[in-house]
Amino acid sequence: KAGVTQTPRYLIKTRGQQVTLSCSPISGHRSVSWYQQTPGQGLQFLFEYFSETQRNKGNFPGRFSGRQFSNSRSEMNVSTLELGDSALYLCASSLGGLAGENEQFFGPGTRLTVL
Amino acid sequence: QKEVEQDPGPLSVPEGAIVSLNCTYSNSAFQYFMWYRQYSRKGPELLMYTYSSGNKEDGRFTAQVDKSSKYISLFIRDSQPSDSATYLCAMCTGFQKLVFGTGTRLLVSP
Repeated sequence: KAGVTQTPRYLIKTRGQQVTLSCSPISGHRSVSWYQQTPGQGLQFLFEYFSETQRNKGNFPGRFSGRQFSNSRSEMNVSTLELGDSALYLCASSLGGLAGENEQFFGPGTRLTVL
Repeated sequence: QKEVEQDPGPLSVPEGAIVSLNCTYSNSAFQYFMWYRQYSRKGPELLMYTYSSGNKEDGRFTAQVDKSSKYISLFIRDSQPSDSATYLCAMCTGFQKLVFGTGTRLLVSP
């Protein structure tokens, strides 16, 4: 069974630009969560989508947004990039249907560098 | 104060040692507890998943949860150099939003 895939693996952008990251979950998983990992803050929850609806949201500004498609694939978008947005962005998928179905499996991440 | 506290290490042990990794937390609503292993420049890999209090064993790994003390542990028996990685504890109330510890860097020397 294929794991979680994320594209692209690496991105370099400049301040003020926007970026879109993509995540394909494990087949059959309907929940996709996004996390930001930085050396200073560790892993922080961005948002979670289930059946094309945002179900949970973390404490990030509105510049961070996402969506999920009918095939469960998800994208996240960051607009007006800031230097502090440089991070490893991780996507995780789970069955997500019930409260107990929350074993989350992570992809390799997209490393975003903002110059 | 962070919701989940974890000693960042590094923790250095010789090959074959028993390793104990721990996290404490403050939110009594957490019910699901996970341990992830993360190698450098890779995504976290799920090692153990437990619900509520108790022990769970999988090969060389044992996870313990003590909800009364708000304390969770991961034990690694017969540690190997390939176990050298950062170990992250994570927990949630049951609604997908995982709260992570900062991670403990483990170094197992041959």
